[in-house]
Amino acid sequence: TQLLEQSPQFLSIQEGENLTVYCNSSSVFSSLQWYRQEPGEGPVLLVTVVTGGEVKKLKRLTFQFGDARKDSSLHITAAQPGDTGLYLCAGYSMEYGNKLVFGAGTILRVKS
Amino acid sequence: SAVISQKPSRDICQRGTSLTIQCQVDSQVTMMFWYRQQPGQSLTLIATANQGSEATYESGFVIDKFPISRPNLTFSTLTVSNMSPEDSSIYLCSVNVGANVLTFGAGSRLTVL
Repeated sequence: TQLLEQSPQFLSIQEGENLTVYCNSSSVFSSLQWYRQEPGEGPVLLVTVVTGGEVKKLKRLTFQFGDARKDSSLHITAAQPGDTGLYLCAGYSMEYGNKLVFGAGTILRVKS
Repeated sequence: SAVISQKPSRDICQRGTSLTIQCQVDSQVTMMFWYRQQPGQSLTLIATANQGSEATYESGFVIDKFPISRPNLTFSTLTVSNMSPEDSSIYLCSVNVGANVLTFGAGSRLTVL
């Protein structure tokens, strides 16, 4: 059982569309991170959220941390082919010995 | 942030053999982490490599199968021993660059026939 559940697992959309990826847990996290991984590369950090209810924006990407710090979402506006990749949420929770745990990932494909 | 070099980037190996993956960091770090990413799946922590002491292994991973060396603060190796097709994965080295953020190497894609 994944400590962090991500949905959807796979998303294929047209350029210009909007999308949201969800990361949910029954556990409280002290912080949540979002990474993007391209084929042949390691994951690269996009953002860290630490405060319940926090919203962070990175150009066309909007990240939100749930009020109870058990969930997070990533919203992409007007997706572009360059957004294609594997999106991973990861977080630190006392329930897992305060080690970084990863969700299963969402594979995003943006078609031009 | 740190720059991590991993090699080999990919390899195809025969069942029963062993492969050693190297991880070089451009700065001194206390802990280095080894992850496994099986095809289409997320990252699973194998072990934490500490300089000057034995690595700390996560549940399901043992030293005999995944021996780790950490001779200094910038280098570590992970060996995958007595490989089987189930060991086919991407193996990633990472370091904590502060504020609990990890930087990853590009990974070593291993295929076992």
